[in-house]
Amino acid sequence: AQKITQTQPGMFVQEKEAVTLDCTYDTSDQSYGLFWYKQPSSGEMIFLIYQGSYDEQNATEGRYSLNFQKARKSANLVISASQLGDSAMYFCAMREGPTGGGNKLTFGTGTQLKVEL
Amino acid sequence: DAGVIQSPRHEVTEMGQEVTLRCKPISGHDYLFWYRQTMMRGLELLIYFNNNVPIDDSGMPEDRFSAKMPNASFSTLKIQPSEPRDSAVYFCASSSPSQGQYQETQYFGPGTRLLVL
Repeated sequence: AQKITQTQPGMFVQEKEAVTLDCTYDTSDQSYGLFWYKQPSSGEMIFLIYQGSYDEQNATEGRYSLNFQKARKSANLVISASQLGDSAMYFCAMREGPTGGGNKLTFGTGTQLKVEL
Repeated sequence: DAGVIQSPRHEVTEMGQEVTLRCKPISGHDYLFWYRQTMMRGLELLIYFNNNVPIDDSGMPEDRFSAKMPNASFSTLKIQPSEPRDSAVYFCASSSPSQGQYQETQYFGPGTRLLVL
């Protein structure tokens, strides 16, 4: 079974609109972390946002927020007020186990987001 | 602070040649990771180190691949002999368990684009 599932290979959104990128995960660990990364066409991997499994509040970073629904095992990324520069591939990733225990990440297959005028 | 540094940024070589990729992690980070990204397989963890010691190399595809970390500020990934199927983008990332709010977030280098002819 896939540990990280991103079911949207591609998404379109109009500039200034909000968009939600889906991510579901599978783990039996109680302690884990969820990450979102952005990969623009230039190729670098840019860290966006982090949510720990014990964090009670959804993580936010500027225009990025993570809609964390633990019971559903989902960690969707919400981008508000989309900008042309948001066009990129977005990866969801999970660290299983507690912090400090060898923090391997498993990545999803990514969602290609295109922001249109 | 400087981010993760990788060299070379691009490498074109012929099948059978030895290829060496280099990485300098963020100062103070004690975890270092090597990933490979291809269209077919996505992002794969090859190997990671903690305090210069290899912890998990189960992702290394075969004996042609080897990685070393002789000190806290330098790591190499070597492919010998290289084959066309090794063509990919190779990322190095580093992290530290003591990052406060972003515990164990992995920060990626710009990647090395390898093409084996």
